[in-house]
Amino acid sequence: KAGVTQTPRYLIKTRGQQVTLSCSPISGHRSVSWYQQTPGQGLQFLFEYFSETQRNKGNFPGRFSGRQFSNSRSEMNVSTLELGDSALYLCASSFWTDDNYGYTFGSGTRLTVV
Amino acid sequence: AQSVTQLDSHVSVSEGTPVLLRCNYSSSYSPSLFWYVQHPNKGLQLLLKYTSAATLVKGINGFEAEFKKSETSFHLTKPSAHMSDAAEYFCVVSDREDDKIIFGKGTRLHILP
Repeated sequence: KAGVTQTPRYLIKTRGQQVTLSCSPISGHRSVSWYQQTPGQGLQFLFEYFSETQRNKGNFPGRFSGRQFSNSRSEMNVSTLELGDSALYLCASSFWTDDNYGYTFGSGTRLTVV
Repeated sequence: AQSVTQLDSHVSVSEGTPVLLRCNYSSSYSPSLFWYVQHPNKGLQLLLKYTSAATLVKGINGFEAEFKKSETSFHLTKPSAHMSDAAEYFCVVSDREDDKIIFGKGTRLHILP
């Protein structure tokens, strides 16, 4: 079973630009969530999508947005990039059954804003 | 509301000695608890998880954790550390009512030769 695939792995952008990151979940997983990891703030929840609907959102400005497609693939967009947006962005694919659930993370996209 | 506290930001142990990484949580409902490991420049790898089955959970690479409801703890242990265990470890709490997962700040494990 293929894991969670995030593309691209590395990205360098300049301030003011926008960026789109992609996440393909494990086949059959319908929920995708996004996290930002920085040395200062640790891992912070951005948002979660389930069946193309945003189900939860963390405390990030509106410059951060996302969407999920009918095949469960998800994209995250950051507009008007700031230096502080430099981080590792992780995507997690998750599943639920009546007695079990869990999260599998991708390797992340490392975004550097210069 | 959920929260998770990893009590040590750094832990150093000698190779071959036991590892203890501490985690305390709070959750309004029956929580699920996870430990993840992140090696440098890598993504997060699930070590083990507790989802209301056995309170002693065995994970990969010889790690295990015990869910203690009375102490609201989920400490991670390993009997004998290996150099390859050097990494950052995250304790994570989630509950199905809230549909969010909360990460601890992480504990960086250093293995001394």
